[in-house]
Amino acid sequence: NAGVTQTPKFQVLKTGQSMTLQCAQDMNHEYMSWYRQDPGMGLRLIHYSVGAGITDQGEVPNGYNVSRSTTEDFPLRLLSAAPSQTSVYFCASTDIVNEKLFFGSGTQLSVL
Amino acid sequence: GEDVEQSLFLSVREGDSSVINCTYTDSSSTYLYWYKQEPGAGLQLLTYIFSNMDMKQDQRLTVLLNKKDKHLSLRIADTQTGDSAIYFCAESPSSGNTGKLIFGQGTTLQVKP
Repeated sequence: NAGVTQTPKFQVLKTGQSMTLQCAQDMNHEYMSWYRQDPGMGLRLIHYSVGAGITDQGEVPNGYNVSRSTTEDFPLRLLSAAPSQTSVYFCASTDIVNEKLFFGSGTQLSVL
Repeated sequence: GEDVEQSLFLSVREGDSSVINCTYTDSSSTYLYWYKQEPGAGLQLLTYIFSNMDMKQDQRLTVLLNKKDKHLSLRIADTQTGDSAIYFCAESPSSGNTGKLIFGQGTTLQVKP
């Protein structure tokens, strides 16, 4: 059982480049979310989805886009990367029965 | 708005007990969680407590919840070097959890041999 799979694990971008962080889960969870982790700030919610075709903004959505065409996949897009987006990104899916989040192993992104 | 606060660092000796504290603001939170993050890894759910409970024990872990003071603590008995990690407290907001946990800043636990 793979759980939540994120790719890539590491990425270096130049300012202005675009990229997509991939996230897939095999637990048939409806709810998925993206967080970023910065030192001393815990995890902050970027975007979330309550099911295929439905997405909404979290606490820090600017500079990021998401889509949810299937239950399994929830990619995060950076359209024009900025140094302020240097961070570790975590995807999560939620077991809504007991409200447990399952996290992927993270993507470490550096924007130069 | 909702907020979760933790101290940033705790250092203990191997074999001692560790107590990590957390305060939160949303008195209507349904669940409160403790996550562990080892270096270079994602967050792993350690334990959680439902808001109508005062205490939950799971092997070496004891969670205490004081709803009046909005205070949550995690006690690790007989702390081992493998317990060295960052521990995050999180709450599930009263608006309902759609994956929208509110996390504290994380407490780095250092266990000295």
